[in-house]
Amino acid sequence: AQKITQTQPGMFVQEKEAVTLDCTYDTSDQSYGLFWYKQPSSGEMIFLIYQGSYDEQNATEGRYSLNFQKARKSANLVISASQLGDSAMYFCAMREPSGAGGTSYGKLTFGQGTILTVHP
Amino acid sequence: DAGITQSPRHKVTETGTPVTLRCHQTENHRYMYWYRQDPGHGLRLIHYSYGVKDTDKGEVSDGYSVSRSKTEDFLLTLESATSSQTSVYFCAISGGLSLRETQYFGPGTRLLVL
Repeated sequence: AQKITQTQPGMFVQEKEAVTLDCTYDTSDQSYGLFWYKQPSSGEMIFLIYQGSYDEQNATEGRYSLNFQKARKSANLVISASQLGDSAMYFCAMREPSGAGGTSYGKLTFGQGTILTVHP
Repeated sequence: DAGITQSPRHKVTETGTPVTLRCHQTENHRYMYWYRQDPGHGLRLIHYSYGVKDTDKGEVSDGYSVSRSKTEDFLLTLESATSSQTSVYFCAISGGLSLRETQYFGPGTRLLVL
């Protein structure tokens, strides 16, 4: 079963506007981590932001923030003041516990990705 | 930037030939992962390693094997390449297993199987 769902194959935003990229997830664990990565056209995977399931505050990193709604199992990425360089593929990913009860060894489960295009 | 390199960066091969992709890290991280990226699927885990000579299967491991004889190197082998293995392959490393431990990715290898 799909654990991470990104329902927006493509998004468009005007330069300097804010945009929200959706991510919903499914897990039975109470403890987990959520990540967002950016993949520009050059192909590398760039870590953007992390949110822990027990973090009380929504994560922020510069222009990136995470709208984390635990009860709805959503972790949407908000990019403020979009720039042309933000045009890229964005992936949401989840890590489940790797402790004694879990054997995931830090594996990440990724969503399908959302292609963001920023227009001038 | 995390010190991760992948070789080759691009490869074209024919169906039925063996292919080995190499991931090399200079971070001395214990955990290493191989993912493949395909349109509509995001990245999917092929195999991972939790130490020298300690490896296990991911969700799409059929047709792939791995080896890790040194901390810094993690090899992915396609024993007999098929067209369905045409993909972009990413190696990733992680220093620990805490939930917030970031995985850092290599630059990727584009593999085309004809």
